[in-house]
This record gives sequence, C-alpha cells and structure tokens, in this order.
Amino acid sequence: GIQVEQSPPDLILQEGANSTLRCNFSDSVNNLQWFHQNPWGQLINLFYIPSGTKQNGRLSATTVATERYSLLYISSSQTTDSGVYFCAVVGAGGFKTIFGAGTRLFVKA
Amino acid sequence: DGGITQSPKYLFRKEGQNVTLSCEQNLNHDAMYWYRQDPGQGLRLIYYSQIVNDFQKGDIAEGYSVSREKKESFPLTVTSAQKNPTAFYLCASEGTSNTGELFFGEGSRLTVL
Repeated sequence: GIQVEQSPPDLILQEGANSTLRCNFSDSVNNLQWFHQNPWGQLINLFYIPSGTKQNGRLSATTVATERYSLLYISSSQTTDSGVYFCAVVGAGGFKTIFGAGTRLFVKA
Repeated sequence: DGGITQSPKYLFRKEGQNVTLSCEQNLNHDAMYWYRQDPGQGLRLIYYSQIVNDFQKGDIAEGYSVSREKKESFPLTVTSAQKNPTAFYLCASEGTSNTGELFFGEGSRLTVL
C-alpha cells in the first residue's frame, strides 16, 4: 500500500519563527489532507489539498502531486500552534485514508 | 451546529468488560470511520462503513465490533478479546462529495484497569 513519510519527526521553535513541514508519499494520490492535533487530542482540518497551493492566515500548503510531496508552511509561529501535524492521503484507485506518523511541534514563548 | 459527537470523552473499565463508544454525526455523510491512536503514534483504521447496514474491517479490527443501523450513528464496541484496549479512539466521517475529506470528532479516551 501507499507509504506516507513526514519530516521532521520533532520540531522546536521560538515564538515568531517560521517552519516548513514535509510529507512524502510513495504513489499517486486522489487527495491529501493536513491536520493539526491539539493537546486535547482533537484533529483539526487545516487543508484539503490534493494539488496546488492554498493559504489560510499564517498557514499555507503546497502539494506537488507529480513529485509526490506536500509542504505545510507555518509563519510567525505562536504557542497555540504546538501539537502534532498529520498528513493523510488516499491513494489513486483506493478510498482508505492513510496517515503519516506526524510532526510534533513545540513553540516556545 | 453540524458536526461529529463522540461520547464519552473519558472512560475507565475493568479488564474483561466490553465497552461501547458512541459516534453520531449530523453532517449527512454516508461514510464513517473508527481510528485508534496510541501515545506518540499515528492513526490506525479499525473499521469503516460506506453506507448504512454495511461495514468493513480496517487494518486492526481484531477485538472490535461495529454496527451501522442508522446513517447518523456508528458505534464501536471494544470487546474483551482486544488485548490492549487502552487507547484514544477517534471517529470520522467523509464529506458527501466523496472526495475523501475526513472530519473528526473530539475522541474518546479509554483506559482499561
């Protein structure tokens, strides 16, 4: 089945810093989502982005489907950005969503 | 408000007891999913249902059971056969456009003593 790898596994930032999180996938995908899991465990939808670029406030994402990767950009990070960021994909021809292992982000005040 | 409601949020049970976790959605979504998350890990698929009265095993279905009698509801039973039931359980539903976009409930944290 399709493999999803996220990097880095852990990231510590000073408040105000920018960061880039990466998601590589091993095969063609029908869709790709980025989620933020907050400290209480809830998964928040950030982007539904099978291809192209989207922006929402300080966050933006780019998926280059032909090269099988997606990037999540966080600018001017805040302590509330802390948590785990997951990339999840559905392979072409499939329907099950496969999650990466996540990037754990801690933003220091 | 439209959304996915899971209950209870926290649950403690003795070993050997069956436990049922509730998941209700009012988003009119056809497909619903149950995931398990262990500490520091990603999400693993337990069961999924694409339509009422039909469901399929995911990657780690052993020791779990589900039903889908209503479109809005997809309860998960953690049976005594599940060897390591202590975990965080997340329910999701899929957007009606069938794009695969998932929306999650707040989760249920089960601790077996």
